[in-house]
Amino acid sequence: EAGVAQSPRYKIIEKRQSVAFWCNPISGHATLYWYQQILGQGPKLLIQFQNNGVVDDSQLPKDRFSAERLKGVDSTLKIQPAKLEDSAVYLCASSAPGPRLYEQYFGPGTRLTVT
Amino acid sequence: LAKTTQPISMDSYEGQEVNITCSHNNIATNDYITWYQQFPSQGPRFIIQGYKTKVTNEVASLFIPADRKSSTLSLPRVSLSDTAVYYCLVGAGTALIFGKGTTLSVSS
Repeated sequence: EAGVAQSPRYKIIEKRQSVAFWCNPISGHATLYWYQQILGQGPKLLIQFQNNGVVDDSQLPKDRFSAERLKGVDSTLKIQPAKLEDSAVYLCASSAPGPRLYEQYFGPGTRLTVT
Repeated sequence: LAKTTQPISMDSYEGQEVNITCSHNNIATNDYITWYQQFPSQGPRFIIQGYKTKVTNEVASLFIPADRKSSTLSLPRVSLSDTAVYYCLVGAGTALIFGKGTTLSVSS
């Protein structure tokens, strides 16, 4: 079974530029999550999708971050404009419906450096 | 969501059993206790989840006392490859709130 795919793996941009991250969840996983992990800290949930609808985006900085999950499969997270404090690893995760919904499968992440 | 407290770091040697305790005094009736493992440059990986008493799988055991105010993740006979950050999470839904975790260092 293929895992959660993310691209790119690394990205370096200057502040005020824009950037987009892509995620392809495990096939059949209806729930998709985006997390931000700053060095030395645990991941922080940014947004959660159920199919193509948003379940929770309470911690998403909506003035600069946006995310979409068209057709309920792939998802894109965008930052525009980026700030220095956005430097972090952006993790995508997915989970399957049913009794193991709590078990999330994470991708390798995209390491973003904002200079 | 209940706040969790766990040691910042632990050291062990290969072959030893490691027990990482997590405190969650304000755990709610509907909350489950979940542990994740994270290696450098990788996303977290689910280890185990429990509600009460003891849960065991092929990787670890989770001990939860009757009052559920704490839990202990037990890793039998650790190896160098068990060096990682271990997160204890408490909650009822699918939204995970990670703390800083416990960095386990295993030496030979």
